[in-house]
Amino acid sequence: GAVVSQHPSWVICKSGTSVKIECRSLDFQATTMFWYRQFPKQSLMLMATSNEGSKATYEQGVEKDKFLINHASLTLSTLTVTSAHPEDSSFYICSARDYRTNSGNTIYFGEGSWLTVV
Amino acid sequence: GENVEQHPSTLSVQEGDSAVIKCTYSDSASNYFPWYKQELGKGPQLIIDIRSNVGEKKDQRIAVTLNKTAKHFSLHITETQPEDSAVYFCAATDSWGKLQFGAGTQVVVTP
Repeated sequence: GAVVSQHPSWVICKSGTSVKIECRSLDFQATTMFWYRQFPKQSLMLMATSNEGSKATYEQGVEKDKFLINHASLTLSTLTVTSAHPEDSSFYICSARDYRTNSGNTIYFGEGSWLTVV
Repeated sequence: GENVEQHPSTLSVQEGDSAVIKCTYSDSASNYFPWYKQELGKGPQLIIDIRSNVGEKKDQRIAVTLNKTAKHFSLHITETQPEDSAVYFCAATDSWGKLQFGAGTQVVVTP
C-alpha cells in the first residue's frame, strides 16, 4: 500500500512552547490529509481535515488557533501545537487520501507522533 | 451523521481458530468500509477494505463481508496467529468523505 510518513515519531517539549509535526505522503500526491488524536485505549478522534492550498476545516471543539494546520504542498501537511500544555500530551496521527485510480478513495495512516509536554 | 458501532470490545482466541469482528453503521450513503490494525504505539495499518458495490472480499487469511441492507460489515480472520494480536478498528466514510471509526476490538491470540 501507499506510504505516509510522520516526523518526529516522538517529541518532548516544555509547557508554553510550540511543536510541529510533519505528515508526508511518500509515493502519491494527497490533496486531502487528516489529523487525529488518540488517547490510550481509545479510538481515533478526528481533529481536522487538511486541504492542499486552502484552510483546514476543524471538527467541533478543536481550537484552530491552538492546532495550526498547513498543507502547502501535495505531499506535506504540518500540525503545530502552539503554547503546549501537559493536557496536549497525546498520540497524534495523520492520514492521507490516495485518489489514484487503482486505489480509489483509500486512506492510509502515518506511524503517529507521541507528544509529551512537561 | 455517521455512527459506527463495533463489537466485541475484546476478543480472545486460541491460535489457529477464527476471529470475527462485527460493525454496524447508520448512514446509508456510506460507500467505503476499511479495516485497520493498530499495534501498540503505532499508527493504524490498512489491512483490507470493501466498497459498497461489493459484498465480500478476501485477502489470504482475512476477509470482509458487507450487508448494505442491514448496514453491517464484518472482519473474519482465519487460522489466527500470535502476530494477529492487536487492536482492530472498523470505519465507514460519512457523507463528507471522512472516516468515522468504531471503538476498536482488542484481539488476543493465545498460543
